[in-house]
Amino acid sequence: DTEVTQTPKHLVMGMTNKKSLKCEQHMGHRAMYWYKQKAKKPPELMFVYSYEKLSINESVPSRFSPECPNSSLLNLHLHALQPEDSALYLCASRDRGNDEQFFGPGTRLTVL
Amino acid sequence: GQNIDQPTEMTATEGAIVQINCTYQTSGFNGLFWYQQHAGEAPTFLSYNVLDGLEEKGRFSSFLSRSKGYSYLLLKELQMKDSASYLCAVRTDSWGKLQFGAGTQVVVTP
Repeated sequence: DTEVTQTPKHLVMGMTNKKSLKCEQHMGHRAMYWYKQKAKKPPELMFVYSYEKLSINESVPSRFSPECPNSSLLNLHLHALQPEDSALYLCASRDRGNDEQFFGPGTRLTVL
Repeated sequence: GQNIDQPTEMTATEGAIVQINCTYQTSGFNGLFWYQQHAGEAPTFLSYNVLDGLEEKGRFSSFLSRSKGYSYLLLKELQMKDSASYLCAVRTDSWGKLQFGAGTQVVVTP
């Protein structure tokens, strides 16, 4: 299995909703990443987990809450989002001894 | 601050060669990556350079000069499916933190 999967593919939520994005990989990678990508812009790093511990938080607002329950799974919990948070959310993983980050297909999030 | 610059758009004909330049000024350097991204899809890895010189991978080659803060991606024998955004990214630390350029939209015409 050489892929990163993300669910759901699309998500529409209101500003008072609570939802979660899920990312999974079974490549044994011990580093996992969340990126946010707005239309026609490059991906921007949000969080890095290494060996299931949060190692980088790029000053992301607390309405985004990451969680890494085990080495294969990465969640992003969403609460009280704003319309400007609408974007493509990308998950990636990397083997510590390797260079390439493998990206998942992303979740297209719309906040109404 | 961090600065990664690449042209916004380039147009080339099918079968031709296109060179996408990337210049960078970052607080750390631990390798430079090129990714391809089709509209609405995830980025896919194309190449990685950490030492100066040219890396060749089929129709794609990438070059790095660390002293000049410069890289290029060369796409040869262009095909219609190469129409995409090409992202230059610098890894700035050992955690794999990637800083992306804004991307270059390559349009391949018949």
